[in-house]
Amino acid sequence: QVQLVESGGGLVKPGGSLRLSCAASGFTFSDYHISWIRQAPGKGLEWVSYISGSGATFLYADSVMGRFTISRDNSKNSVYLQMKSLRVEDTAVYYCARGEYCSSNSCAGDYWGQGTLVTVSS
Amino acid sequence: DIVMTQFPDSLAVSLGERATINCKSSRSILYSSNNKNYLAWYQQKPGQPPKLLISWASTREAGVPDRFSGSGSGTDFTLTISSLQAEDVAVYYCQQYYNTPENSFGQGTKLEIK
Repeated sequence: QVQLVESGGGLVKPGGSLRLSCAASGFTFSDYHISWIRQAPGKGLEWVSYISGSGATFLYADSVMGRFTISRDNSKNSVYLQMKSLRVEDTAVYYCARGEYCSSNSCAGDYWGQGTLVTVSS
Repeated sequence: DIVMTQFPDSLAVSLGERATINCKSSRSILYSSNNKNYLAWYQQKPGQPPKLLISWASTREAGVPDRFSGSGSGTDFTLTISSLQAEDVAVYYCQQYYNTPENSFGQGTKLEIK
C-alpha cells in the first residue's frame, strides 16, 4: 500500500538548520510529484515546496525561498527538504504529499504522511 | 496568485442534517481545454494529516462515503455533507491546483455537532 513517512524534525534554535526526509513506498515513485505542506500549531495548511517526478522542476513558497531546498533521490524513493536560517515562524508540522491530480505546476495530494514536527525556539 | 476563501469559518450542524461549506477562488480555476475545475476538498481530524475527499471539484475519492459531494465551477464551489454523522466532525479545506501552489489552500472551515 502507498505510504509516505516523514522524518528529521526536532527542536532547533533560530538560525539553525534541519533536513527533513520523506520516504515513500507502494508506488512507482518517479511517476509522482511530491509536495511539502506545513501546518503551524492551531493554524491552517500552507504549501511550502514542490518537486516534479524527475526532479527537474521545483517551486517554493515566497516565505521559504532562498532558505529551503527541495530535492529527491528516485533510487531511494525519497524526497528531502533542507531547511536553513530557520525562524520561529517556521515552527510547524511538515507533511509530504503525493501529487495525484496535477496541473503543470501544482497538485492535489492523495496520500499524505503523518508529518514531522519542527520547532524553532531559543 | 489565486486566493481561496472559505465560508463560513465554522459551522455547527445537527446530526442527520445537511452541512454546506463554500469556497471561492479569486479567479476562475476552470481550465477551458479540458473543462475541468482544479479544486480539491480535504478533511482533517485532530492529530491526523489531511485526507483527500474530492478532486476535480466533484469526483469523490475511492472509499469516501457518498454523503460527501462537491459542486460548483469557475470560482464558486461547495462541499455538501448530506446527512451529518458524528465522525464527520473535522476541519475542511479547499485547495486549488490550477496554477502556482502559493496560497492554494483555503483557511479551513471547522465543522461541529450542534
